[in-house]
Amino acid sequence: DTGVSQNPRHKITKRGQNVTFRCDPISEHNRLYWYRQTLGQGPEFLTYFQNEAQLEKSRLLSDRFSAERPKGSFSTLEIQRTEQGDSAMYLCASSLAPVLEQFFGPGTRLTVL
Amino acid sequence: AQSVAQPEDQVNVAEGNPLTVKCTYSVSGNPYLFWYVQYPNRGLQFLLKYITGDNLVKGSYGFEAEFNKSQTSFHLKKPSALVSDSALYFCAVRDQLTGGYQKVTFGIGTKLQVIP
Repeated sequence: DTGVSQNPRHKITKRGQNVTFRCDPISEHNRLYWYRQTLGQGPEFLTYFQNEAQLEKSRLLSDRFSAERPKGSFSTLEIQRTEQGDSAMYLCASSLAPVLEQFFGPGTRLTVL
Repeated sequence: AQSVAQPEDQVNVAEGNPLTVKCTYSVSGNPYLFWYVQYPNRGLQFLLKYITGDNLVKGSYGFEAEFNKSQTSFHLKKPSALVSDSALYFCAVRDQLTGGYQKVTFGIGTKLQVIP
């Protein structure tokens, strides 16, 4: 399968714990995006990378959230000191500039108890 | 600021009938517009986009969308609905005047139910 992959698919954690998610984009894609989706809502933009550079961050991305794309390939999203309000589906997407459409992974569902 | 509205939570249509899923948008400049579909337990899939030019855009699976600048709308259409079209549909927008920013804003989604 050459699509976008995300791991893990599900994560259950206790409040206050740290979690890390991984996204592997389509191999030649130079742009990578993270979104958060809660029930009944559309995806909300969190952050965007062009190659290894993080070029945009949403105000939704508090200081507890950090994302990296160290070699311009896979990316990680870490949430520190998780809160119940962080429970959501975290989506990763990639694209190849200048093409605008994004290709989405299946998401990581986070549940914070 | 950019925003998109999908006024219908759910659209029901009989199989074989034409379908329309509505979307309106707001941007400062000119828009890039997109439709994505989300099937249960699967990621969002790109259907079609409008960048410039012809107001009628054709996409995957027989879907098309009509860009109307005066009404700031980008409604998704299909001449004959299939039961397999039942899914959640998202409209999305990005202002072309973003200075290089890539943020895309999604609507809340419209559930399409095609009744056999």
